[in-house]
Amino acid sequence: QKEVEQDPGPLSVPEGAIVSLNCTYSNSAFQYFMWYRQYSRKGPELLMYTYSSGNKEDGRFTAQVDKSSKYISLFIRDSQPSDSATYLCAMSRGGSYIPTFGRGTSLIVHP
Amino acid sequence: DARVTQTPRDKVTEMGQEVTMRCQPILGHNTVFWYRQTMMQGLELLAYFRNRAPLDDSGMPKDRFSAEMPDATLATLKIQPSEPRDSAVYFCASGLGGGIGEAFFGQGTRLTVV
Repeated sequence: QKEVEQDPGPLSVPEGAIVSLNCTYSNSAFQYFMWYRQYSRKGPELLMYTYSSGNKEDGRFTAQVDKSSKYISLFIRDSQPSDSATYLCAMSRGGSYIPTFGRGTSLIVHP
Repeated sequence: DARVTQTPRDKVTEMGQEVTMRCQPILGHNTVFWYRQTMMQGLELLAYFRNRAPLDDSGMPKDRFSAEMPDATLATLKIQPSEPRDSAVYFCASGLGGGIGEAFFGQGTRLTVV
């Protein structure tokens, strides 16, 4: 079993929908939780991150971490066709800064 | 505009041939990663360097893969001999080695071994 599990999708939603992307993990030592976005034929880019538990909001994006359940989420409000991409969660341990990635979820937002 | 540069973007080669992928990390970054991405496995860490020293290459098949950093501006990943199962997108990423551990990725090398 992988340390970080993520459903690969694809997830197809209409424009304007609220999107929920999720990851589960097994290693309780993870302290930094990140979301990367990867467009087709491009490398992943950091979208946002949180430290430990809680929520963080950035425009239409909200990242949520529940360490007690080992579960993280990314919510996208008012989704746009330009949000169509693969979203990868990543996590790292304090003191060891090597991110461990999920497989990524392919999101398609259709007009 | 600081970015990680990878060459080549695409490579098609015959089974048994040597493949060399190159990466120029962002100036000032002291950590370099090599990842392989496939549909089935997602992003897998192959190796990483800190201050040009290899710290972990446990993700690489040792008999055919090798990774080096001849200097701070160049990282290489070699496969010899290549096999069809090596077909994947190979990403180089660099980082500052601290904080959250953010990795800045290059565009990737799409390798096809026939």
